[in-house]
Amino acid sequence: DTEVTQTPKHLVMGMTNKKSLKCEQHMGHRAMYWYKQKAKKPPELMFVYSYEKLSINESVPSRFSPECPNSSLLNLHLHALQPEDSALYLCASSHNSVSNQPQHFGDGTRLSIL
Amino acid sequence: GQQLNQSPQSMFIQEGEDVSMNCTSSSIFNTWLWYKQDPGEGPVLLIALYKAGELTSNGRLTAQFGITRKDSFLNISASIPSDVGIYFCAPGGSQGNLIFGKGTKLSVKP
Repeated sequence: DTEVTQTPKHLVMGMTNKKSLKCEQHMGHRAMYWYKQKAKKPPELMFVYSYEKLSINESVPSRFSPECPNSSLLNLHLHALQPEDSALYLCASSHNSVSNQPQHFGDGTRLSIL
Repeated sequence: GQQLNQSPQSMFIQEGEDVSMNCTSSSIFNTWLWYKQDPGEGPVLLIALYKAGELTSNGRLTAQFGITRKDSFLNISASIPSDVGIYFCAPGGSQGNLIFGKGTKLSVKP
């Protein structure tokens, strides 16, 4: 079982819907990440939060809005998504955001945009 | 920009065979991580390497951090059916992000 929990596991939404993806970890990690993974591709970094502050935004469209309410939780708010946004969204956490810290991944949310 | 090449792209294994895959980069890294991803799951950390030349084992898995800090290999000895999956190398970038290789897909020989 992964120590990073993501909900929901699957999500189907229309292009006009607003939904949120949630991620939780209780390992005391202070860095949390969102990745997007298309089929047969490696994960691509979207956002990095370090000590609850956004430290990296990899030029992600504003229809994706991250939020880190506290050190254990990370949300990704979705609004007006496009069909090409259908993918597996992975959350990860690490002790901190220094480069030599291994990241631990959740099992992802499989998102389908109709 | 930095280039990260992972090979082979895919390979077929027969139970009991040894498997080898590697990643090379045009850039120097301080960390090399190896992950395995099964269908419907997130990547799982297999081995973390922190020093140039470091050789680390985890059961039947062995990985090395190249002396030049631009490459790493992962070996699996005496493969078993549950070794099937996608293996990613992921060196650590300067901002704490991971840069993933394109993956090596291990399948069972028909």
